[in-house]
Parts: sequence; structure tokens; C-alpha cells
Amino acid sequence: DAGVTQSPTHLIKTRGQQVTLRCSPKSGHDTVSWYQQALGQGPQFIFQYYEEEERQRGNFPDRFSGHQFPNYSSELNVNALLLGDSALYLCASSLHGQGGNEKLFFGSGTQLSVL
Amino acid sequence: QKEVEQDPGPLSVPEGAIVSLNCTYSNSAFQYFMWYRQYSRKGPELLMYTYSSGNKEDGRFTAQVDKSSKYISLFIRDSQPSDSATYLCALFTGGGNKLTFGTGTQLKVEL
Repeated sequence: DAGVTQSPTHLIKTRGQQVTLRCSPKSGHDTVSWYQQALGQGPQFIFQYYEEEERQRGNFPDRFSGHQFPNYSSELNVNALLLGDSALYLCASSLHGQGGNEKLFFGSGTQLSVL
Repeated sequence: QKEVEQDPGPLSVPEGAIVSLNCTYSNSAFQYFMWYRQYSRKGPELLMYTYSSGNKEDGRFTAQVDKSSKYISLFIRDSQPSDSATYLCALFTGGGNKLTFGTGTQLKVEL
């Protein structure tokens, strides 16, 4: 049973560039959430996708956008990169409803470095 | 004031010790309480999940919730070097879709 997979594992970009991160949820899961984890901090909620729609958004600017595909996989896009966007980006999947929203299964993340 | 406060450590203990990890929170709307373990360069892994006040035990791990004090704990008995990781508390209100995490406590169990 494949868990949550993310690609790429590492990425180096320069300020002002755009980046796309990808996530495939755990088999049987239909909901994908994205979190940003800065060094030495806990993960911060970016947004969640279910049924190909953004369901809730955390305190992140519009430079952060996402998409969910019919097969439940998801992308996170960040435009106009800033140095402060350097972080580990985590994708988490869950099963919608029946108390499943809070039981998140995380991927290993994409380490983004902005120079 | 942060919604969730967690001592970042680092915490270093000898093998076999009992470890106590704690979080405090300010929002009484939190109803679900979780502990995640995160190894270096990996994503968080769900360890314990509790809903009500009281204790929940799973092997060497015990999660404790005191809603009246807004205080949650994770105890690790007979700690092993393989327990060396960062432990994150995570809280959920039951509405909406986001988990609110603590900063994480870095634990090292030494031989």
C-alpha cells in the first residue's frame, strides 16, 4: 500500500521564480492538505483540497495556489518566490468525513530552498 | 500569544528513561489531540490520537489530556535510541480542516 508520495524531494530556486510541487495521496484517501514547515517550527496549514475544490485556507498570500485532479493527486504552486518561502513543504492525505479529516498521513516533503 | 505552546528542547535522556513531553493551548475549541513523531528529513507520523480528557495508552506511549487546564502530555516509557526524533503535538477543533501544530520538541535518547 503506497503511502503519500511527493516530488521532487529537493528543489533550489531563485527569488521571483515560480515552483510547482506534486503530491499523490495514500491509496483510498480523497483529501489533500498542504503544510509549510520552516526550520525549527511546526507545520503551518496552507490549504486543503477535496472534490477538486479548495475547502479551507490558512494565512498564506495568493502567491500560494493549488489544484486537485480527478485522481485525487494535487499540486502546490508558489509564484514570485521570496527568501522566506524556503521551507519543507508537506503534503498530507486523509479520508473525508467520519472523523477522518484530522487523521492525516504525511509524505516526506519537498525541501525548497530559495536563493 | 500562540495558540499552542511547546518547549522546543532539545531534550536529552539516557536509554530506558521515562520521557515527558508537553503542550499547552489557549483555545478551548480544540477537541481532538494528536501527537506526531518526525524523524530528520521525513514527514510527521501519527503516534497517538485522543478525543476526550484522560489517558490513552499504546505500548510504551501514553497520551494524557487535561482539557480543564488546556494541557496535553505524551509519556514514553523505556525510551530507546530509535525514539530520537522531534515530537509534535497537533490540535483540531472538529470544525474546518486544519490541524494546529506546536513547534515540536527535539528528543535524543542516548546509549
